[in-house]
Amino acid sequence: AQKITQTQPGMFVQEKEAVTLDCTYDTSDPSYGLFWYKQPSSGEMIFLIYQGSYDQQNATEGRYSLNFQKARKSANLVISASQLGDSAMYFCAMREGPSSNTGKLIFGQGTTLQVKP
Amino acid sequence: DTAVSQTPKYLVTQMGNDKSIKCEQNLGHDTMYWYKQDSKKFLKIMFSYNNKELIINETVPNRFSPKSPDKAHLNLHINSLELGDSAVYFCASSHVWTATGELFFGEGSRLTVL
Repeated sequence: AQKITQTQPGMFVQEKEAVTLDCTYDTSDPSYGLFWYKQPSSGEMIFLIYQGSYDQQNATEGRYSLNFQKARKSANLVISASQLGDSAMYFCAMREGPSSNTGKLIFGQGTTLQVKP
Repeated sequence: DTAVSQTPKYLVTQMGNDKSIKCEQNLGHDTMYWYKQDSKKFLKIMFSYNNKELIINETVPNRFSPKSPDKAHLNLHINSLELGDSAVYFCASSHVWTATGELFFGEGSRLTVL
């Protein structure tokens, strides 16, 4: 069964607007972590934001915020004030168990975001 | 100074050959990983080492053999290369005792098997 699902293969957003990238996950472990990574066309993987399953507040990092809805098992990434440089593939990932476990991340299929000028 | 570095960045080789990819991290992390990204961009873990000890070995053909001479290095050797091995291989590292434990990735090594 797919543990991390990103249902949007591709998204478009106008420059300076906000965009939400969807991610749902499936786990029975009460302790887990959720991550978002950005992969620009140059290919490197850039860590954006982290949300722990026990965190009470939604994570934010600059223009990135994570809309964490635990009961719905969703961890959507919100990018505010989109910039042309945000055009990239975005991956949602999950670690089951605390970080002191294996540390292994399971990735979703990715969403390609294109920012239009 | 690159945190996680992989060499080579590109390999083009014939079927049946053997090749190696090297990875080094200077972050002081205790855990290193190999991930494979296929042509559809799907990322899947292959191996993980914690302090030189193999802790994850996913369903990977035994033609793939990782080696960790010390906790800063994790190499991947592939025997008898097949067309399906063509992919981008990412090395990553993390420190599992941090609260977040995010993975830091190398730039990837693009392997093309002809």
